[in-house]
Amino acid sequence: DSGVTQTPKHLITATGQRVTLRCSPRSGDLSVYWYQQSLDQGLQFLIQYYNGEERAKGNILERFSAQQFPDLHSELNLSSLELGDSALYFCASSVEGSNSGNTIYFGEGSWLTVV
Amino acid sequence: AQTVTQSQPEMSVQEAETVTLSCTYDTSESNYYLFWYKQPPSRQMILVIRQEAYKQQNATENRFSVNFQKAAKSFSLKISDSQLGDTAMYFCAFMKQGAQKLVFGQGTRLTINP
Repeated sequence: DSGVTQTPKHLITATGQRVTLRCSPRSGDLSVYWYQQSLDQGLQFLIQYYNGEERAKGNILERFSAQQFPDLHSELNLSSLELGDSALYFCASSVEGSNSGNTIYFGEGSWLTVV
Repeated sequence: AQTVTQSQPEMSVQEAETVTLSCTYDTSESNYYLFWYKQPPSRQMILVIRQEAYKQQNATENRFSVNFQKAAKSFSLKISDSQLGDTAMYFCAFMKQGAQKLVFGQGTRLTINP
């Protein structure tokens, strides 16, 4: 158990809909990351938040948005869903700036299926 | 931009054998970190081992060890005394110092046969 908690574990929704994925980082971790794993794109970095502020942005679509709340949990919002958005979405966390080498720990992922 | 290449899409060995998974990367950075993650059928991403580029000594974690060749930009993972529970996808990943983004390879599917 990495200590990173994601909900829901599985989600099936229709095209055009909007969903929210939730993540609680490991205790003490200030950074939260979102990654997408799909069959054709592999593992891709979407976005990083550090202590409530957006820190880095990757290949995140404009239809997707994220935020990190004062209690450090994070939400990834996916809207106007398309079939191609079906993927495993990982949340991860780390203690940025530590001597641990910025190791990133992943949650179990949220399976999103768009039908 | 950094790229990570895993040239072995699939590998299969017998239980108790030793297996080596290959990874090469391309970067102009001098300070960075390298990781191996394991993704079993449950799909969870589990950290196996990490290596700091400034350290010449190869990292080890129990049955897992790496062969880090900085000049060759190579970072292979050796699994000794392989076990059935080692069956998984293995991803090599790169992170440059000062950035928090992991760049992943395409993965190697490893099967340990009884």
